[in-house]
Amino acid sequence: SSELTQDPAVSVALGQTVRITCQGDSLRSYYASWYQQKPGQAPVLVIYGKNNRPSGIPDRFSGSSSGNTASLTITGAQAEDEADYYCNSRDSSGNPWVFGGGTKLTVL
Amino acid sequence: EVQLVESGGGLVKPGGSLRLSCAASGFTFSNAWMSWVRQAPGKGLEWVGRIKSKTDGGTTDYAAPVKGRFTISRDDSKNTLYLQMNSLKTEDTAVYYCTTLYCSSTSCYLYYWGQGTLVTVSS
Repeated sequence: SSELTQDPAVSVALGQTVRITCQGDSLRSYYASWYQQKPGQAPVLVIYGKNNRPSGIPDRFSGSSSGNTASLTITGAQAEDEADYYCNSRDSSGNPWVFGGGTKLTVL
Repeated sequence: EVQLVESGGGLVKPGGSLRLSCAASGFTFSNAWMSWVRQAPGKGLEWVGRIKSKTDGGTTDYAAPVKGRFTISRDDSKNTLYLQMNSLKTEDTAVYYCTTLYCSSTSCYLYYWGQGTLVTVSS
C-alpha cells in the first residue's frame, strides 16, 4: 500500500505531552519525515530520518518508529505548536511520493 | 541563508499551460535534488515530482495525477527550477511549493521550502 494514515485531529493541554501517529506499510522499510504547517505558511520540516531535528527546531519535538507506525512526540506542548502536522515517507516502490492526510493539533 | 522563491502562478483556463519558476540561493543548487509539492485549498500536501542533480543523472519522476502533463527541469547556470504544466485541469488548482529533497536508503525528506505560488485553473 502507498497510503499513510493519520488521525485528523488531536488535542493536548498546554505543557503536556502529545503523540501524533502515522500508519502505513511503507513505514516497515522507511523512516517518516514530519512537517509542521501553520495557517497561511509553508510547511516546515521538524523531524527526519531515525530521529533528527533540523537546526532551530526545539528539542521538545522527537520522532520514533515501530512496525508500521511512525510517531511524532511533543514533550511539553506550547501554544505555538498548534498547527497541522503531516508525515511523509517513501512508498512501497521506494519513490518519495506519500504524504499522510495531516493531523490538526490543538493546544488547550 | 537558503532561499527558494517561486513565481509564475496565476489564473489559467482548463486545458491551458503555465510555467512555474523557483529561484534558489544560499546553497549549491547544482548538487541538490529538487521537488515540487502542491496543496489544494483546504487540503493536504501532495507530491508532484522530483528531479535529481545532473551528477546523479538529472532524471525526473512524477506522481500519477500529473504524469504526462507536467515536466520538471532545471537550469543550474541560473540556479532555477521549473515546472511546466500543460493540459491543466480544475483539480490542479493549488499552492505549488518548491523544495529541496534529500534521499537515503531509508528515508527521503524535504528540508527547505519556498513560500509557494498559487495556481488557479478555472474558466
